[in-house]
Amino acid sequence: SAVISQKPSRDICQRGTSLTIQCQVDSQVTMMFWYRQQPGQSLTLIATANQGSEATYESGFVIDKFPISRPNLTFSTLTVSNMSPEDSSIYLCSVDATGGESVAEAFFGQGTRLTVV
Amino acid sequence: RKEVEQDPGPFNVPEGATVAFNCTYSNSASQSFFWYRQDCRKEPKLLMSVYSSGNEDGRFTAQLNRASQYISLLIRDSKLSDSATYLCVKRGSTLGRLYFGRGTQLTVWP
Repeated sequence: SAVISQKPSRDICQRGTSLTIQCQVDSQVTMMFWYRQQPGQSLTLIATANQGSEATYESGFVIDKFPISRPNLTFSTLTVSNMSPEDSSIYLCSVDATGGESVAEAFFGQGTRLTVV
Repeated sequence: RKEVEQDPGPFNVPEGATVAFNCTYSNSASQSFFWYRQDCRKEPKLLMSVYSSGNEDGRFTAQLNRASQYISLLIRDSKLSDSATYLCVKRGSTLGRLYFGRGTQLTVWP
């Protein structure tokens, strides 16, 4: 299994500012994933972060808006830049690890509830 | 078409009821499927994997129909603690890539 510590758990930010979200994993993992979950919607993958290389962004998400760092195999950050109210959402980091069923299972951080005013 | 389509509900059932959730997926090459549970204001957690032969875990039964590209979750003898959102998830061909349905909200009332 994997335990992920994500912070902050919530924040209220002014439009035009930036917020950096951190995720710390209790074990080394090759890939970390960043998701966004808007109210009543499914989780949408923002990007995949590999250590030592640039993150891979999904369609509709760009590095200038969501820069990601991955300095080592246990840590990653996602920055939401130049925020607008449309960025209000829950942001989650995730890793794959072997779970109780001995298959790859996705483990998530506790989420960051962001409100932009 | 979305990779995973799921009826959002909500489902409101009394304790002891049996409830079923359905989910359809696109891309027949998809190999692995899961049901995740997400409690209010919490992160998703794996409920169970879905195997081609169907599988059961206590009161929960998951089934996969590859021909129809259809997944289901059956909950028998519902408990108050089953109240949550249930997410249908498939693993894509790209390493680690998961696709989530929008979730089905279940409320079990006493």
